[in-house]
Amino acid sequence: QKEVEQNSGPLSVPEGAIASLNCTYSDRGSQSFFWYRQYSGKSPELIMSIYSNGDKEDGRFTAQLNKASQYVSLLIRDSQPSDSATYLCAVRLVSGAQKLVFGQGTRLTINP
Amino acid sequence: DTGVSQDPRHKITKRGQNVTFRCDPISEHNRLYWYRQTLGQGPEFLTYFQNEAQLEKSRLLSDRFSAERPKGSFSTLEIQRTEQGDSAMYLCASSVHGGRDEQFFGPGTRLTVL
Repeated sequence: QKEVEQNSGPLSVPEGAIASLNCTYSDRGSQSFFWYRQYSGKSPELIMSIYSNGDKEDGRFTAQLNKASQYVSLLIRDSQPSDSATYLCAVRLVSGAQKLVFGQGTRLTINP
Repeated sequence: DTGVSQDPRHKITKRGQNVTFRCDPISEHNRLYWYRQTLGQGPEFLTYFQNEAQLEKSRLLSDRFSAERPKGSFSTLEIQRTEQGDSAMYLCASSVHGGRDEQFFGPGTRLTVL
């Protein structure tokens, strides 16, 4: 089992709809969770961090964390063509360890 | 705040040559990380520094790889005797110890080994 798993997609969503991206992780002791957006040929850009169970909203983005189910998701409301990118889930697996473990990313395409 | 910078942005080299990459973190960020990313995969952790101390190294970091952060500011990553399998994007990130410790990435150095 991979430490952090994402559906690689591609995920295709019509413009204006909600895009839902999912991520599961293996280490129940994980404390910190991050979503990065990566445009083709560019480096990852941090868009959300979440540390506690529940929802965290920032503009059109909502991160959801369920530690009991070892599941973290990202919702993008009112999807725009500019949201088309690969979304990377990253987890700091063990408290005190600093490295991030990334999923392979989900490629999202927003169709006008 | 100018963000994390990396140099060079692109490097093409022949197999067997040595290459060195530089990373300048966000000012006042005392933690610095190196990752490697290949096509279709997420970044993989290589090593991390807190100030000038190298605190964690991945098994991916073979003896051909060495990283330094001599004065706790910029860092260098050297690959000796490059192999075609070293072709990848090398990413540097930095963060501030304490608080949320979010990692911010630089633009990366794309290495192609012929």
